[in-house]
Amino acid sequence: NAGVMQNPRHLVRRRGQEARLRCSPMKGHSHVYWYRQLPEEGLKFMVYLQKENIIDESGMPKERFSAEFPKEGPSILRIQQVVRGDSAAYFCASSPVRSGANVLTFGAGSRLTVL
Amino acid sequence: GQQVMQIPQYQHVQEGEDFTTYCNSSTTLSNIQWYKQRPGGHPVFLIQLVKSGEVKKQKRLTFQFGEAKKNSSLHITATQTTDVGTYFCAGFLHGSSNTGKLIFGQGTTLQVKP
Repeated sequence: NAGVMQNPRHLVRRRGQEARLRCSPMKGHSHVYWYRQLPEEGLKFMVYLQKENIIDESGMPKERFSAEFPKEGPSILRIQQVVRGDSAAYFCASSPVRSGANVLTFGAGSRLTVL
Repeated sequence: GQQVMQIPQYQHVQEGEDFTTYCNSSTTLSNIQWYKQRPGGHPVFLIQLVKSGEVKKQKRLTFQFGEAKKNSSLHITATQTTDVGTYFCAGFLHGSSNTGKLIFGQGTTLQVKP
């Protein structure tokens, strides 16, 4: 039973390029969350999705960032026109139902470096 | 805004010493969870506390949830080098069942000197 799968694990982009991070939730989990972790800092909530729906995107920057969780395939976090400040670890987590009391299972993260 | 604060940010202890990290919320939490992140790793769930005043133990780890459900603590007895990592508390806001936003504290990074 595979856990939460994220890829790529490491991604290097130059300023102005696009970054696409993918996340496949655990089998049986229908809810996906994206968190950003800057070096030496905590986890900042970005967005919470279920299939074909964005439930809460209050942590997403208004520009350049978007997320989706299509009916088929993984969830995608897309960052357009990356800047150096986007360099961070992006963690995806999943849960079986809408979380109000459920545990999140995290993936290994995607570490983005912007040159 | 809603915040979950943790102190201390860093703690260095000698192996065998005890360690405690404290978590405080500006608002009442419906429950609190604790996660551990090893250096270079990802957060891994440790435990969840739901009831006011609840205390749970996992071997050398003791977790408490405050009576007002606004604070929590994690205490490790007789630390070992395997305890190294960052410990995060995280909470769902009371009454926020319409959203799954789990708010994390900044974490306490524990270093253990052998």
